[in-house]
Amino acid sequence: AQKVTQAQTEISVVEKEDVTLDCVYETRDTTYYLFWYKQPPSGELVFLIRRNSFDEQNEISGRYSWNFQKSTSSFNFTITASQVVDSAVYFCALSEAPQGGSEKLVFGKGTKLTVNP
Amino acid sequence: GAGVSQSPRYKVTKRGQDVALRCDPISGHVSLYWYRQALGQGPEFLTYFNYEAQQDKSGLPNDRFSAERPEGSISTLTIQRTEQRDSAMYRCASSLEGIVFGKETQYFGPGTRLLVL
Repeated sequence: AQKVTQAQTEISVVEKEDVTLDCVYETRDTTYYLFWYKQPPSGELVFLIRRNSFDEQNEISGRYSWNFQKSTSSFNFTITASQVVDSAVYFCALSEAPQGGSEKLVFGKGTKLTVNP
Repeated sequence: GAGVSQSPRYKVTKRGQDVALRCDPISGHVSLYWYRQALGQGPEFLTYFNYEAQQDKSGLPNDRFSAERPEGSISTLTIQRTEQRDSAMYRCASSLEGIVFGKETQYFGPGTRLLVL
């Protein structure tokens, strides 16, 4: 069965600090996808990144970076030099890839990040 | 281009009434998903359509919940005889049919906030 654990319920930092959001997943499949979504106070779900299980390269996009480690089943998200606009709930999600089936997303419970000025 | 749209954005109803929630996916997206998100939780999968075919309804909580997508575009999620425990944010997502790695990223609509009194 698929499962995603985000152990950090809430994190509070001061602007310009770096912050890492943890994500640990469980799956029996060898082919799967990992995602991060951002939910700002306005409520929408904004896609940030998709990573497939065959690509363990870390990715950097501006102040955002992601560290995928299959050995520890983790897909952690780091924000460098955090800003107030980064305040949001961040969700990690997993989907398996059954042939011809749905790639439903299984979400973690989310981590609420508050960046204080 | 236009994203996923949902209507109504807010719905207040009395217990026992039926409600219909509408989702208009991104043009050209063949996959459509419905999720439910309780306060303080991540979204939970309800059902999945590939074109007009409902291929996975394993997440529908009981037979009061149904969904359709008759022409492979707009979808309606119907809840009959609503109960207070049905109060939640109902989100729709759509994705393209992928070529190499299966279906592509799911993009979410703004959601319908349902409150059952």
